[in-house]
This record gives sequence, structure tokens and C-alpha cells, in this order.
Amino acid sequence: DIVLTQSPATLSLSPGERATLSCRASQSVSSYLAWYQQKPGQAPRLLIFYSSIRATGIPARFSGSGSGTDFTLTISTLEPEDFAVYYCQQRSNWPRTFGQGTKVEIK
Amino acid sequence: QVQLQESGPGLVKPSETLSLTCTVSDGSISGYSWSWIRQSPGKGLEWIAYIDYRESTDYDPSLKSRLTISIDTSKNNLSLKLSSVTTADTAVYYCARGPHLDNWGQGTLVTVSS
Repeated sequence: DIVLTQSPATLSLSPGERATLSCRASQSVSSYLAWYQQKPGQAPRLLIFYSSIRATGIPARFSGSGSGTDFTLTISTLEPEDFAVYYCQQRSNWPRTFGQGTKVEIK
Repeated sequence: QVQLQESGPGLVKPSETLSLTCTVSDGSISGYSWSWIRQSPGKGLEWIAYIDYRESTDYDPSLKSRLTISIDTSKNNLSLKLSSVTTADTAVYYCARGPHLDNWGQGTLVTVSS
């Protein structure tokens, strides 16, 4: 199985700051990587697919980059509603796997 | 906007079979791929089953022998069966659409307990 390792586990930032989240794959997933946001008590929401394509309705402050084994999700300017847990997921190989998540919390 | 709604028993006894349904509304189940994902309390996400528009299936290898995913186009719903459940199967179970999981249900909590 492809293991996705997200870092850091927790990111403590203030609204208005920039958030940079990392996802590293144990082997190449090409660009078949997605990012999801999950808030407490809610289902995850797709933010980014194919590494860098924003899903419908996702604000431009969210951007994704990377290919192969190293990927980044950037939130350019944190809004209060962006404090949540973020997961990466690969669909290059079976079984599909998720990272363990990065929690973006208010500092 | 397609809506997904999971439903299930809530409580299942160890060794029994868990059966879940995902009802699709405001859209067709045909022509898409579908997945089941679960999340144990306080833990991360675990993709467990997948079915594509040709009804070809795939499963998490560690659960494959216990899992069955299927589609009923006449009812516009998706089903999941997990046999011989243990307390480790306690989780919120989500259904989601497409290769990118672009639409999710709100999830249904299943507790395995005697």
C-alpha cells in the first residue's frame, strides 16, 4: 500500500496568515493526489484533485502543487472558516489511501 | 446538486453482518463510480470499497473477504455489507461519488457492541 505522510500534524496559525501543508507519498502517485477539508461533525469536502485543480466552489486562496511523491496544499490567507483538519488522498494505486491528517488550529 | 444519504442499523452485535445503504437523490447513480469510506472515532479516514459504472469492484485488502459493495439502479442506491463485524469496525461510514470523491453523504455512525 502507498503510505501518505502528512506534516506537520498540527499547524497553529492566526487568521490572515499563510498555511503550508505537506503530503509525502511512499512511492510515486504521479499527480493523482487530492486534498480534503473536514470540520468537526461534518463529512470531508473535496478541495483539490489532480494535485492542483480546485474543486467546484473552492475559493482561490486554496492551491495545490506537486507531483510524484511530494505535494503541498497552501492556504494563502487563513479565514476563520478554514480552521479544520486536512487530508490528502492518492488514487494512483489500489487500495486508495489517505494521509493521517493535519489539523490547522487557531493560535 | 446530488444529495447522498447513508442509512444503517446504528448498533450491530459482534459477529453479525452490517448492512448500509446510500440513497442518491437529485441525480442518477448510473454512470458514476462510488466509494465507501469509514472513520473510526477520533481517527483518520479509511477508504474501504469502490464500484465503478460497469459495476467492477475493489476493496481494501484487509477487509476484502468480509465486504460486498453493490449498486441498485432501480432504487438509485448503493449498498455495503460487512460480515463478521468486531468492535474494530465501529466507525462513521460515508458514501462518496466519483473518482475524486466530490460529493459525500453526512455519514452514519455504526457501533459494534454486544
